[in-house]
Amino acid sequence: DQQVKQNSPSLSVQEGRISILNCDYTNSMFDYFLWYKKYPAEGPTFLISISSIKDKNEDGRFTVFLNKSAKHLSLHIVPSQPGDSAVYFCAALTGGATNKLIFGTGTLLAVQP
Amino acid sequence: DAGVIQSPRHEVTEMGQEVTLRCKPISGHNSLFWYRQTMMRGLELLIYFNNNVPIDDSGMPEDRFSAKMPNASFSTLKIQPSEPRDSAVYFCASSPDRALTDTQYFGPGTRLTVL
Repeated sequence: DQQVKQNSPSLSVQEGRISILNCDYTNSMFDYFLWYKKYPAEGPTFLISISSIKDKNEDGRFTVFLNKSAKHLSLHIVPSQPGDSAVYFCAALTGGATNKLIFGTGTLLAVQP
Repeated sequence: DAGVIQSPRHEVTEMGQEVTLRCKPISGHNSLFWYRQTMMRGLELLIYFNNNVPIDDSGMPEDRFSAKMPNASFSTLKIQPSEPRDSAVYFCASSPDRALTDTQYFGPGTRLTVL
């Protein structure tokens, strides 16, 4: 049973436009969320994170929004660039004694020149 | 810093054979994680260690899988016997902080194919 869900396996966007990647979670106890980016034949790399005490965190072209009541977060990339083409994973930190990351299935973003 | 090192990068084996995947974490990191990536389930945590001690192995699929961390600079994930459904990319990651508000640093992965 997936506790972190990314319902869009893929997304295609034109260069310069906004990319919006979505993520839903089921456990209201999750209180810290991260986005990772993965290029082919490489491991995932950390992109941006957000704590549940915030509803927005921005880092350059990347902004993560958190809606706790809806158990939903989204990653906005603006403007999108061809180099942003990658798989994006959403992850939630479980907290507690066995603190660990639960990842979603990923969304493949393709930014068309 | 060389980052997390995994070997081999690719492994092709036949069903029933033993497979051993290796990982060297970033020096000074005290938490190490093994993940498996599949299309259907994304990135799944198999097991993680803190200060060389297994903390959570609830993600290990079955008894055919085992992991060890004999010292702070080396870990192995073993599958014996291997089955075709074990085919996946296996990632090792390390973190300097068990609290994990820091990020995890991933290795490049081992692509395992079991025929």
